[in-house]
Amino acid sequence: GENVEQHPSTLSVQEGDSAVIKCTYSDSASNYFPWYKQELGKRPQLIIDIRSNVGEKKDQRIAVTLNKTAKHFSLHITETQPEDSAVYFCARAGNQFYFGTGTSLTVIP
Amino acid sequence: NAGVTQTPKFQVLKTGQSMTLQCAQDMNHNSMYWYRQDPGMGLRLIYYSASEGTTDKGEVPNGYNVSRLNKREFSLRLESAAPSQTSVYFCASSLDPLGYGYTFGSGTRLTVV
Repeated sequence: GENVEQHPSTLSVQEGDSAVIKCTYSDSASNYFPWYKQELGKRPQLIIDIRSNVGEKKDQRIAVTLNKTAKHFSLHITETQPEDSAVYFCARAGNQFYFGTGTSLTVIP
Repeated sequence: NAGVTQTPKFQVLKTGQSMTLQCAQDMNHNSMYWYRQDPGMGLRLIYYSASEGTTDKGEVPNGYNVSRLNKREFSLRLESAAPSQTSVYFCASSLDPLGYGYTFGSGTRLTVV
């Protein structure tokens, strides 16, 4: 009940295509949902987040959507570029903070 | 404005040796965390400190101890290193236990031979 399920674990897309990563949770008390990007050999860094009172948030080519009823949230990357290749982690905050298991995204030039 | 600073960046230990990983944050965050990340794996929580003066076990605490020295500093100690502890260790901090402003340090790559 505490974990965040993240899918897929690996994802390959052609440059210019869109990529979607989905996370599901079961704790209805969750109210904050950030996404982190970790490039090879570097630290995870926050790229976008959303709070429970908002259904969608967009920042240039990155967007996050939240469906509180269905308890899932998704990261959408449009017009992917090779520099988007990284591992992406979702997370949720309720009474504590939990990370998903990560998605390794490869953008093929 | 350094954020979260970890030292050392790299370390090689012999089995049975001890060492302490240091972490300090200058963001006035209340909560601090230690994670390990093995190749191709996600982040596994070792210990955390929700606020100054408190520490709690995470998912994989065996073989580790922590000290929340003050609000800024949270150290991780390996008393008797084992090859299974070879990993990349990340310290992180957040404004509160709910994770607002969650920020990671640059990591410590530890090899136990």
